[in-house]
Amino acid sequence: QQPVQSPQAVILREGEDAVINCSSSKALYSVHWYRQKHGEAPVFLMILLKGGEQKGHDKISASFNEKKQQSSLYLTASQLSYSGTYFCGTEISKGGSEKLVFGKGTKLTVNP
Amino acid sequence: KAGVTQTPRYLIKTRGQQVTLSCSPISGHRSVSWYQQTPGQGLQFLFEYFSETQRNKGNFPGRFSGRQFSNSRSEMNVSTLELGDSALYLCASSSPRTGIYGYTFGSGTRLTVV
Repeated sequence: QQPVQSPQAVILREGEDAVINCSSSKALYSVHWYRQKHGEAPVFLMILLKGGEQKGHDKISASFNEKKQQSSLYLTASQLSYSGTYFCGTEISKGGSEKLVFGKGTKLTVNP
Repeated sequence: KAGVTQTPRYLIKTRGQQVTLSCSPISGHRSVSWYQQTPGQGLQFLFEYFSETQRNKGNFPGRFSGRQFSNSRSEMNVSTLELGDSALYLCASSSPRTGIYGYTFGSGTRLTVV
């Protein structure tokens, strides 16, 4: 039931773009995205709900393809502050009644 | 608004001992979830509590247990510790309106079993 993230790691130069994918074998109600910097707690970025629209936050946006049970996180014109490990979390039923299961994470490194 | 508070931050225990970790959620949040984080495995779901009831449980042995109190504070207990239990234990709280706010994580308790 754990979603699969790809790639496992990405190395970018500042200003480059990246895409992180998250796929599930089960029908999804929602997909969450979090970023965790070294030694810190994961921080919520955004949530995408079934039937909802693509979300965005600054230069980070995400999409949710319900039919394919996939979500993608798009990081545009990356900044040094984007470095960290990105986790997707999935719920297979309406939020609040089902557990949030996370993928193993994608480590993003942005170099100057 | 105070965040999620986990205590203690660090713990060193020996094999066979037991340990209790505490989590105080954001005021007004009634759901608390616990995760185990180890290198390469990401965040493994332990259990989730809502209004003092365990709603969901992950695939961990019975040595891992938890509870939630009427003020929504939660504890997790690990009995008969094994070396493999060494990990960062994170708790996260959420309101029923997760569609807007997602989960808020605490800073975690780093458990080392020697």
